[in-house]
Amino acid sequence: AQSVTQLDSHVSVSEGTPVLLRCNYSSSYSPSLFWYVQHPNKGLQLLLKYTSAATLVKGINGFEAEFKKSETSFHLTKPSAHMSDAAEYFCVVSDIQTSYDKVIFGPGTSLSVIP
Amino acid sequence: NAGVTQTPKFRVLKTGQSMTLLCAQDMNHEYMYWYRQDPGMGLRLIHYSVGEGTTAKGEVPDGYNVSRLKKQNFLLGLESAAPSQTSVYFCASSLRTGIIYNEQFFGPGTRLTVL
Repeated sequence: AQSVTQLDSHVSVSEGTPVLLRCNYSSSYSPSLFWYVQHPNKGLQLLLKYTSAATLVKGINGFEAEFKKSETSFHLTKPSAHMSDAAEYFCVVSDIQTSYDKVIFGPGTSLSVIP
Repeated sequence: NAGVTQTPKFRVLKTGQSMTLLCAQDMNHEYMYWYRQDPGMGLRLIHYSVGEGTTAKGEVPDGYNVSRLKKQNFLLGLESAAPSQTSVYFCASSLRTGIIYNEQFFGPGTRLTVL
């Protein structure tokens, strides 16, 4: 069965320093992978997605993620954190091909940005 | 273009009461979903729909019912609310392409408390 592990439940960085949010997945086939962001009291917004094209995926707001099949990882990075990046981040993996876009959510990583 | 909207935003129920959450999307998406979000658990799928008039169970369907009488609307019902159903509920929708996994578009959420 497919699963997602987000290795850190909480990450704290200083403004202007790099961000690394880690995600590992388990899948018996080549999955599609997503990162979503949720700001406080808001819905989820797609940051980026990987669907078997380029392994380095660029998203919105300066975020990017690299798909590494050998490591079954899809870590999210940003070169320089901004205060507005403080939010909850979810790594998401597609489930076995079904009749709809079924996905599995990781438990989330809360990112704090210190001024 | 409002995207995905949810009604109401907040609700407090007493144990045993019933209520209906309404989700509406104006993107002509085929697929719609209801999730619940609990701390440290990411989002879990309650029910989903692949088209007007069709619904199916997700990961945690017990205690909930759904209906999709119109393509743009997806209703989530709680017949007899229990404190374990205290959660934040998100509706989402996605476009059917049949080939690759598509992103899901999320509503702003409904915060439900059952006393």
